[in-house]
Amino acid sequence: QQQVKQSPQSLIVQKGGISIINCAYENTAFDYFPWYQQFPGKGPALLIAIRPDVSEKKEGRFTISFNKSAKQFSLHIMDSQPGDSATYFCAAVNEAAGNKLTFGGGTRVLVKP
Amino acid sequence: KAGVTQTPRYLIKTRGQQVTLSCSPISGHRSVSWYQQTPGQGLQFLFEYFSETQRNKGNFPGRFSGRQFSNSRSEMNVSTLELGDSALYLCASSVQGYEQYFGPGTRLTVT
Repeated sequence: QQQVKQSPQSLIVQKGGISIINCAYENTAFDYFPWYQQFPGKGPALLIAIRPDVSEKKEGRFTISFNKSAKQFSLHIMDSQPGDSATYFCAAVNEAAGNKLTFGGGTRVLVKP
Repeated sequence: KAGVTQTPRYLIKTRGQQVTLSCSPISGHRSVSWYQQTPGQGLQFLFEYFSETQRNKGNFPGRFSGRQFSNSRSEMNVSTLELGDSALYLCASSVQGYEQYFGPGTRLTVT
């Protein structure tokens, strides 16, 4: 059972454009939603995270939007740059169940110059 | 602060052998989690250790085991390796809460 569904699987955007990645979850016990960025040959790096009591969080060019009633959240990368080309993973955590991260399937983003 | 370190970075083993991977967390982090990353299954949680105790376990067979030492360093062991165990094994550490920081991983190839 895939508890966190991520779309699209891949995305091509022009430099300066907006990249949008969507995730949906099923388990309403999830209470922390981080996004990770992974470059080839590297481990995932924590990018930005949000909790269900907040509808939006912005850090630089990265923004998370959260819709608790729809059980959906999304990552927006504004003014996309070639250096943003990477695989992005959404994840979810249920605090009561410990530190287990449940990941989405990942989105490979390519930013064309 | 130094990041999470994992050794070795690359490993080639034969079916039926066993392997031990090591992880040194960020200084001061007491929680260490292990994940398996494959193209087909994505990132999957193996287990989490906190203060030398396994606190959480994923849906992997008993061939996968781990432990944590008093200095928070952790090891994971896979016995009787199968071809399907070929993967990138990632270790993540955190103080106690949700912010987990990943190491570069150990690339295991089983032939």
